[in-house]
Amino acid sequence: GQNIDQPTEMTATEGAIVQINCTYQTSGFNGLFWYQQHAGEAPTFLSYNVLDGLEEKGRFSSFLSRSKGYSYLLLKELQMKDSASYLCAVREDSGNTPLVFGKGTRLSVIA
Amino acid sequence: EAQVTQNPRYLITVTGKKLTVTCSQNMNHEYMSWYRQDPGLGLRQIYYSMNVEVTDKGDVPEGYKVSRKEKRNFPLILESPSPNQTSLYFCASSLSGTAGNTIYFGEGSWLTVV
Repeated sequence: GQNIDQPTEMTATEGAIVQINCTYQTSGFNGLFWYQQHAGEAPTFLSYNVLDGLEEKGRFSSFLSRSKGYSYLLLKELQMKDSASYLCAVREDSGNTPLVFGKGTRLSVIA
Repeated sequence: EAQVTQNPRYLITVTGKKLTVTCSQNMNHEYMSWYRQDPGLGLRQIYYSMNVEVTDKGDVPEGYKVSRKEKRNFPLILESPSPNQTSLYFCASSLSGTAGNTIYFGEGSWLTVV
């Protein structure tokens, strides 16, 4: 079976830091993706983790702990344009298998 | 410019009237897939294709068909649409379906079945 959990909604203040958590229970694991999706638009790629640890890319960082089935996306220096849904997705094995998406976390950045 | 193009972007149709949503990518990607996105349910995969003439069911294939006659195109066919197929549909592609290959999404197609 497969289960990916993220909080449904979060609110944070402009300029602050926010951490969006994702926990997963899948039959296998071969990488975790984070996508950003603005309302009514296509998801766009943010980050990919396959090994434990932190991957940093500008204001966004993503962390993975495979033993805990846990990842987080860290957004620093929040801007109003960061208001969007953030999708966690897991690839279960190394073959040509589909990504399994969580339901997404809707982040609202307020002034 | 590398892109995934879907058409139509917006469509209102009636129950039972066959429709096709086209998808084309210009990145020479082997892997293509279709998702639907519904409030509270997230992105769910309908069908995917690992290469030309190879297609497989995803999580919610009922009521849909696909074909992959050419590498760049992956149309989604609704033979007899029903209101429960009202949704936002995304086509996506990646170099292959393995490991860290990034998935690129089309802009989405809003479909309403009345």
